[in-house]
Amino acid sequence: GNSVTQMEGPVTLSEEAFLTINCTYTATGYPSLFWYVQYPGEGLQLLLKATKADDKGSNKGFEATYRKETTSFHLEKGSVQVSDSAVYFCALSDQGTGFQKLVFGTGTRLLVSP
Amino acid sequence: ETGVTQSPTHLIKTRGQQVTLRCSSQSGHNTVSWYQQALGQGPQFIFQYYREEENGRGNFPPRFSGLQFPNYSSELNVNALELDDSALYLCASRFGRETYNEQFFGPGTRLTVL
Repeated sequence: GNSVTQMEGPVTLSEEAFLTINCTYTATGYPSLFWYVQYPGEGLQLLLKATKADDKGSNKGFEATYRKETTSFHLEKGSVQVSDSAVYFCALSDQGTGFQKLVFGTGTRLLVSP
Repeated sequence: ETGVTQSPTHLIKTRGQQVTLRCSSQSGHNTVSWYQQALGQGPQFIFQYYREEENGRGNFPPRFSGLQFPNYSSELNVNALELDDSALYLCASRFGRETYNEQFFGPGTRLTVL
């Protein structure tokens, strides 16, 4: 079945460092791809998405490009802040019969220190 | 506009008991999905309700059941609780069945089974 693989965390960075969180996927067809963020004690928030190959999703300084040839959707940010500390989930849309669901990776915890 | 709300926030049950979790979807949303997030894992799709009918299900046994009401709020019921049911249960709502319509997640209910 369709699946998502993320790099294991935690990823520990100093403020203003460059961030990359790797995500690769296995899927039949052409799913939409998503990054969600989960802050402590909260639910998931959609960070960005891309619906077709070569699309770039971006939001709040984060960006990710849908790469069909490498089946990847790596998350990047040029300069992280302490407030970016959270767990980041890569996900894809999986088509069922008459419905769609999200398939998530295991999450990557990001810790940013001042 | 009120977001997705869930109740209760935390719940402790013992093996063999039954539990009901509740979700109020965002205004205007007619589709509700439930996910189980075990500690340190990504969310796993349980099922989806669209216009009061279950129209998609993940790999969860029948003791996981649900309801959606005319106002599109929803319940998740779990019978014969097992220790492995301990998890964060997330509800997500959106308009329509397609995942390219953004899903909005609630903060979750933390269930502990002793």
